[in-house]
Amino acid sequence: GQNIDQPTEMTATEGAIVQINCTYQTSGFNGLFWYQQHAGEAPTFLSYNVLDGLEEKGRFSSFLSRSKGYSYLLLKELQMKDSASYLCAVRDRDYQLIWGAGTKLIIKP
Amino acid sequence: IAGITQAPTSQILAAGRRMTLRCTQDMRHNAMYWYRQDLGLGLRLIHYSNTAGTTGKGEVPDGYSVSRANTDDFPLTLASAVPSQTSVYFCATTVSHSSGANVLTFGAGSRLTVL
Repeated sequence: GQNIDQPTEMTATEGAIVQINCTYQTSGFNGLFWYQQHAGEAPTFLSYNVLDGLEEKGRFSSFLSRSKGYSYLLLKELQMKDSASYLCAVRDRDYQLIWGAGTKLIIKP
Repeated sequence: IAGITQAPTSQILAAGRRMTLRCTQDMRHNAMYWYRQDLGLGLRLIHYSNTAGTTGKGEVPDGYSVSRANTDDFPLTLASAVPSQTSVYFCATTVSHSSGANVLTFGAGSRLTVL
């Protein structure tokens, strides 16, 4: 079967750096997405990786290693508003999106 | 403001009742999707439509039906609701992103409780 694994919950301190990992086992690979979802709201797109390496976008970066079936989302200079769930999703060979259950990130002052 | 509108925002429903969740978009996107989100699980695709007049089944279609009479509207119907259909339902379309990816953009969601 296809599977996406993410930690259920993480805690970090305001101003610090946090890395949220995502490992996947899918039938083929056609891209990996990260979404942010604040409590009670819809997911919103953060980043997309299809080639190995690091994609940087402001305070957020996303890394992909296709050979290892692994990605991480790196959040720098954490702010209280970054408290949210972060969803990892992989597009398989049939272009179907497989979603992880999400990582709830708690930011403490 | 352009986007996806879902209604109702939330609803409590007795088991056995029929319910239609509405989804309307004003972006003229061809592809539309219905997902459900349950605690501890990833988003699961219920049904999708690649263009007006066509629909397809996703990962968890049983107990749900959809129609796509025009580009803008994509209602989701529960013919006879059961408690296991208690969930948050998201309607979505795809947007072309500068990275080249087709990115999902979601409506605000409909929280459904079946008692």
